[in-house]
Amino acid sequence: DARVTQTPRHKVTEMGQEVTMRCQPILGHNTVFWYRQTMMQGLELLAYFRNRAPLDDSGMPKDRFSAEMPDATLATLKIQPSEPRDSAVYFCASVPGVGFYEQYFGPGTRLTVT
Amino acid sequence: QKEVEQNSGPLSVPEGAIASLNCTYSDRVSQSFFWYRQYSGKSPELIMSIYSNGDKEDGRFTAQLNKASQYVSLLIRDSQPSDSATYLCAVGDSGGYQKVTFGTGTKLQVIP
Repeated sequence: DARVTQTPRHKVTEMGQEVTMRCQPILGHNTVFWYRQTMMQGLELLAYFRNRAPLDDSGMPKDRFSAEMPDATLATLKIQPSEPRDSAVYFCASVPGVGFYEQYFGPGTRLTVT
Repeated sequence: QKEVEQNSGPLSVPEGAIASLNCTYSDRVSQSFFWYRQYSGKSPELIMSIYSNGDKEDGRFTAQLNKASQYVSLLIRDSQPSDSATYLCAVGDSGGYQKVTFGTGTKLQVIP
């Protein structure tokens, strides 16, 4: 059963702490997206990678957020330092290949920054 | 900025009725359109994709696309309480970079 996996599923941290979220795309999917979802803003695209190379990270606050894909089976999203306004659900999604648009979402990481 | 507009709802329909969810988009050259279902506390799940004008049916779901009017809709026949969820419309980026723009979603409530 091919699924996108994300860890941790829940994270509570204090303001100023570093947060790292991990995503394992479906095996063979070469494009990975990071989204943030809040009640107010809906789904916001933060960054995405194709074949591990960043294609667009314009949705991400550069001063505190960073995204990487060190290998084909792992994408990471890091927040340093975290702030209460970063509290949201962070989703990772993967796409089968070039020309495909259908995105398959992971279960998300629910982040609470106090 | 490419936009995808949906009525936030909630849209309430009685069990067994047809639920009609609508979406408009701003990018005239978009070619790919999707509907995702998101249950409360869960991640979005792809339920329909449509690329050509007209209707596409899959079980109780029918997606309708009208590119001239920049309009896409989702019909759910014989609505069930288990269909209660938020439905997200998504439009593929015409630039070929596999991005999609999501609407903010319509919350559907099916009343038993």
